[in-house]
Amino acid sequence: KQEVTQIPAALSVPEGENLVLNCSFTDSAIYNLQWFRQDPGKGLTSLLLIQSSQREQTSGRLNASLDKSSGRSTLYIAASQPGDSATYLCAVIGNKLVFGAGTILRVKS
Amino acid sequence: NAGVTQTPKFQVLKTGQSMTLQCAQDMNHNSMYWYRQDPGMGLRLIYYSASEGTTDKGEVPNGYNVSRLNKREFSLRLESAAPSQTSVYFCASSDLAVSGNTIYFGEGSWLTVV
Repeated sequence: KQEVTQIPAALSVPEGENLVLNCSFTDSAIYNLQWFRQDPGKGLTSLLLIQSSQREQTSGRLNASLDKSSGRSTLYIAASQPGDSATYLCAVIGNKLVFGAGTILRVKS
Repeated sequence: NAGVTQTPKFQVLKTGQSMTLQCAQDMNHNSMYWYRQDPGMGLRLIYYSASEGTTDKGEVPNGYNVSRLNKREFSLRLESAAPSQTSVYFCASSDLAVSGNTIYFGEGSWLTVV
């Protein structure tokens, strides 16, 4: 059974810091891994999708990496802004789609 | 392009009442999903449909039924609502060929059972 863990559960940083969110999974037989952002009271917005054959994907200030062999993915956010405050979820796509519990990020101005 | 559309957005039910959550996607995706999200529990899969005409149980299917009416629509029914079903419900869709398995979510349906 696939299990997905996100660390840390919550993070509070001052504006401008670079930060890393971690996602680990137990079964490396995956097709893709996707990172989402969720604002309070809202749905999930897709940030980045990494195919199993890829090592990383970049979009603006976001960079996501994937190491299938070690069962890890990281989401790197450069020069964080208060608008980045949200919950970040990773989802592992194998035979089923399994989500981590999320990291609650607060960027202080 | 509307993406994934869910209705209703908010609903209050009395214990024992029934209701159906509707979901439609206009991206020609084969796979559709229903999740519930509860504080501290993350997103849990209720049911999914890999293609039109097929449905499978997820992690927490008890108390729910689903119908994949056609390729566009996937509905979730609560036959006899219970307070434990108070939650936020999300519909999602994906397709390897159409969008590389990127998952798209609806805006959510907030359900309260009193």
